[in-house]
Amino acid sequence: QVQLQESGPGLVKPSQTLSLTCTVSGGSISSGDYYWSWIRQPPGKGLEWIGYIYYSGSTYYNPSLKSRVTISVDTSKNQFSLKLSSVTAADTAVYYCARVSDSSGYLDYWGQGTLVTVSS
Amino acid sequence: EIVMTQSPATLSVSPGERATLSCRASQSVSSNLAWYQQKPGQAPRLLIYGASTRATGIPARFSGSGSGTEFTLTISSLQSEDFAVYYCQQYNNWPLVTFGQGTKLEIK
Repeated sequence: QVQLQESGPGLVKPSQTLSLTCTVSGGSISSGDYYWSWIRQPPGKGLEWIGYIYYSGSTYYNPSLKSRVTISVDTSKNQFSLKLSSVTAADTAVYYCARVSDSSGYLDYWGQGTLVTVSS
Repeated sequence: EIVMTQSPATLSVSPGERATLSCRASQSVSSNLAWYQQKPGQAPRLLIYGASTRATGIPARFSGSGSGTEFTLTISSLQSEDFAVYYCQQYNNWPLVTFGQGTKLEIK
């Protein structure tokens, strides 16, 4: 059973960089069978796709966030990470990591999510 | 970007009754449509993919239908654990996937 777990600071100051890591267990990112993604959900609102990374390091970012987002992978630790720069209060959200099933686009395994608040 | 619109925003149904949730795409997504269930404080859970295929472990009372731009999630006989928020997601435009705004299914 694949499990994903987000980790990182729960509070980030405005204009700084949000950094989160997703640790995958029960499966190897290096298998190359899946894409690994980030999604966020502002409090009380819907889901927003941030982007994905493949084990090779290839990435795709939502155009609405592309200028501020970097997703990276560390296959030796079976982890992938999210950096979001120049954050504002609008970036306050629960951030989820998830696996993209069969590289098709739907998300079959999710982390529990971590709330990141942007505030001074 | 493909815009997904769900209706209604809130649906009130009694336990044991049938619930029908709708999702419309701004352009055709073929059958590349998934449904998720989200309970308070939890991550979304995959229910349906390919518009009509139940994910592993999902009860048979959940069914999905539709193609193109119109989709439906039906829960045949509501159980107490089914009251939650439901999201649709298109992945026809992979890698730019988009979600609907959600339908809250509440107890009547």
